[in-house]
Amino acid sequence: DAGVIQSPRHEVTEMGQEVTLRCKPISGHNSLFWYRQTMMRGLELLIYFNNNVPIDDSGMPEDRFSAKMPNASFSTLKIQPSEPRDSAVYFCATTPGLPIETQYFGPGTRLLVL
Amino acid sequence: AQKVTQAQTEISVVEKEDVTLDCVYETRDTTYYLFWYKQPPSGELVFLIRRNSFDEQNEISGRYSWNFQKSTSSFNFTITASQVVDSAVYFCALSEASTGNQFYFGTGTSLTVIP
Repeated sequence: DAGVIQSPRHEVTEMGQEVTLRCKPISGHNSLFWYRQTMMRGLELLIYFNNNVPIDDSGMPEDRFSAKMPNASFSTLKIQPSEPRDSAVYFCATTPGLPIETQYFGPGTRLLVL
Repeated sequence: AQKVTQAQTEISVVEKEDVTLDCVYETRDTTYYLFWYKQPPSGELVFLIRRNSFDEQNEISGRYSWNFQKSTSSFNFTITASQVVDSAVYFCALSEASTGNQFYFGTGTSLTVIP
């Protein structure tokens, strides 16, 4: 299995631009998590899905952030408009979907907003 | 309140020394899981181990060992005969039955192994 796939791996954009991060979960994994990692705040859970349905989005910073999971093999995290403080590494992680399963992380997307 | 505390922010050891990374957790659940992840300089998060709350048996995997003690709510990680490749940030995490699949991560311990 290829593991969790994230794209792009690096993104540099200017303030105000729309940014879309993509994640392809491990095949058969039904739960998907989006995290943000910064030096100041560490790893923060933004949102997670179970069977394509958002379960908890309380970690989403504000309305500029949105996430979708249109099918079992694809999810997006969108920031519109982006701001410099959104600069971080964004990780996607997936689990088979059973309660309390190991989360397997993608390689992350390093986002820099100028 | 922080559910997972990793009090050691940074540790430096000389190669071949043993090192223990501390993890203290807080939960009211009787069913929960504890995890350790490694984040090397390349940035990916690598799963190392998962323990459930009903299994206090210590685990050894090569140079890695884990000591789970419910009495002190700790899940410490020891690297024996450390190597330069062990240099990374190590995260401890907790997942509770009552909150489903949500993970609570500690702030991480940055380990540097000096050759």
